[in-house]
Amino acid sequence: DTGVSQDPRHKITKRGQNVTFRCDPISEHNRLYWYRQTLGQGPEFLTYFQNEAQLEKSRLLSDRFSAERPKGSFSTLEIQRTEQGDSAMYLCASSGGRTGGVNTGELFFGEGSRLTVL
Amino acid sequence: RKEVEQDPGPFNVPEGATVAFNCTYSNSASQSFFWYRQDCRKEPKLLMSVYSSGNEDGRFTAQLNRASQYISLLIRDSKLSDSATYLCVAFNSGTYKYIFGTGTRLKVLA
Repeated sequence: DTGVSQDPRHKITKRGQNVTFRCDPISEHNRLYWYRQTLGQGPEFLTYFQNEAQLEKSRLLSDRFSAERPKGSFSTLEIQRTEQGDSAMYLCASSGGRTGGVNTGELFFGEGSRLTVL
Repeated sequence: RKEVEQDPGPFNVPEGATVAFNCTYSNSASQSFFWYRQDCRKEPKLLMSVYSSGNEDGRFTAQLNRASQYISLLIRDSKLSDSATYLCVAFNSGTYKYIFGTGTRLKVLA
């Protein structure tokens, strides 16, 4: 399977615990995005990377959230001291060529990591 | 005000009906626009790109009006399988940011 993969698919945690999600993008894509989606809402932009550089971070992302893409391949999203309001689907998507060529506009999403904070 | 706004619906239409969704965007720096489809509990997938000249893909027609900052999607001859949420997306090629609307839910009834 050469699509975007995310792990874990589901995570249930208690308030105050830390959680980490991993995303493996399509290998030839240089841009990687993280979104959060709650019921009845569209995906909300959190952050994105071009190769290993984190180029933008939403104001939605408090200092409890951190994302990395250390070698420009897979990425991790960590949430520290989780709160009930963090419960959501965390979606990863990738796009773009390795050489940063023409962007076709298509974002390829993973199946998401669903977080439930009790 | 959200950067991309859509009527959340739901739109309940009978099979065979024509249905139109609208979307407005507020950031005039957005250069490209798309419609994505999201099935229940699944990830969004690209349905089609939207061009100023309008574009058609089978039963689906998308249109962009830059002057009014307005995007539309028309679905003709609705099928049961069209039931999904349709997400309007604005892309800024300077920042490479994709901004999604809240989505419009469509339910096609037999």
